[in-house]
Formats: sequence, structure tokens, C-alpha cells
Amino acid sequence: GESVGLHLPTLSVQEGDNSIINCAYSNSASDYFIWYKQESGKGPQFIIDIRSNMDKRQGQRVTVLLNKTVKHLSLQIAATQPGDSAVYFCAESPGANSKLTFGKGITLSVRP
Amino acid sequence: NAGVTQTPKFQVLKTGQSMTLQCAQDMNHEYMSWYRQDPGMGLRLIHYSVGAGITDQGEVPNGYNVSRSTTEDFPLRLLSAAPSQTSVYFCASSYSPTYEQYFGPGTRLTVT
Repeated sequence: GESVGLHLPTLSVQEGDNSIINCAYSNSASDYFIWYKQESGKGPQFIIDIRSNMDKRQGQRVTVLLNKTVKHLSLQIAATQPGDSAVYFCAESPGANSKLTFGKGITLSVRP
Repeated sequence: NAGVTQTPKFQVLKTGQSMTLQCAQDMNHEYMSWYRQDPGMGLRLIHYSVGAGITDQGEVPNGYNVSRSTTEDFPLRLLSAAPSQTSVYFCASSYSPTYEQYFGPGTRLTVT
């Protein structure tokens, strides 16, 4: 069936390094992709999104890359900080009025 | 502007009891949804609504009911609680599934 998944369950990076979190999706009809960050004990928070007519989008210290050929999504965090430690989820939707499907999540741990 | 609010924050139920988890948003969002989050399972969609009077099932709807009589409120009802429903429940709202979803702080439910 269609699914959204992440390659690695945990990622440990040194403070100041760049982080790359990867996500694979299997629904070729997916039109909208989004990354969320969830800190312990809190609800998920929006980081950045991208639509299928784009292959790159940048925010503040974050970049999302979309490769539709291999159905791959990645989140890049520049100069990772201790406050970036959290669980990160990718999610996808086939389009308007279609539900959002979340991946299982990956834990980012930042070493001081 | 309170965003998405959920009550209660914590709840303990005995098997067979029923209860309603409350969710409200003040952003005039049409799309609202309920997720449950279990360790290692990510966020799974229970029910969602694209507007007042319209609801639909998500990935794991069994044992839960919803209604959407107003734009602001989207309560989730557990008809007869089971230990398998022990989880953290999140409500979310957005203009549509393909826009940023705002999550509430969650309700931690334990069924004994």
C-alpha cells in the first residue's frame, strides 16, 4: 500500500554541523509535502512545506528538497543547535481535501 | 487568538467507560483532524472533517466517533474505552490538508 517512511530512526549530530533528515514516499500522486518538529511533551510544529511543482524550498536555517523521480524528500538544517533536538516527521498528501499521511518520525539528537 | 485547544490534558479511564475529548480552534479553519500517537507508530489519522457537517474516517477509526456541528469544535468520542486506546491524542486544524496544520497540546489517555 501507499506509505510514507523514514530511513533512520535516530540521527546524532554535533552542534554547529548541518543535519540532513531523509524521507521516502511511495504515493506517486503525492502533491504536497510537509515537515514537522515535535519536542518532548508538545504537539507537532510546522517547519516547512513544499509542493510537487517545486524541487527546493528554503526557510530560516532549513531547506527542503524534493526528488520526484525517486520519491524522496529531505530536510536540511544548517548549523544545528541544541534547540533543534526533537522528533521530525515528514507527511504527504495527494492534494486538496485529501488527508495528510505521516511518517513514523526520526529523533534528532544534537551533541554539545 | 488561542489557536487549537484540547481538554483534558490527562485522563484515566476504566475499560468500558466512555468519554469525549474536546477540541476547539479560533482560526476559522475548515479542516480539522484527530490523530493518535503511539511509540514507534508516528501519528495516525483517526477521523477528519473538511467543514461543518462533514466528517470522514482516517486510518484507525474503529472505537471512535466524531461530529462537526460548528466550524470551531471537533469533539472525539470514545464509545467504550479499551486498553488499546491508551495513547496521546492530538487535534489539528488548517485551511485544508495541503496547508500548514496547527496542532493542539495533546491529551494523554490511559485506559486500565
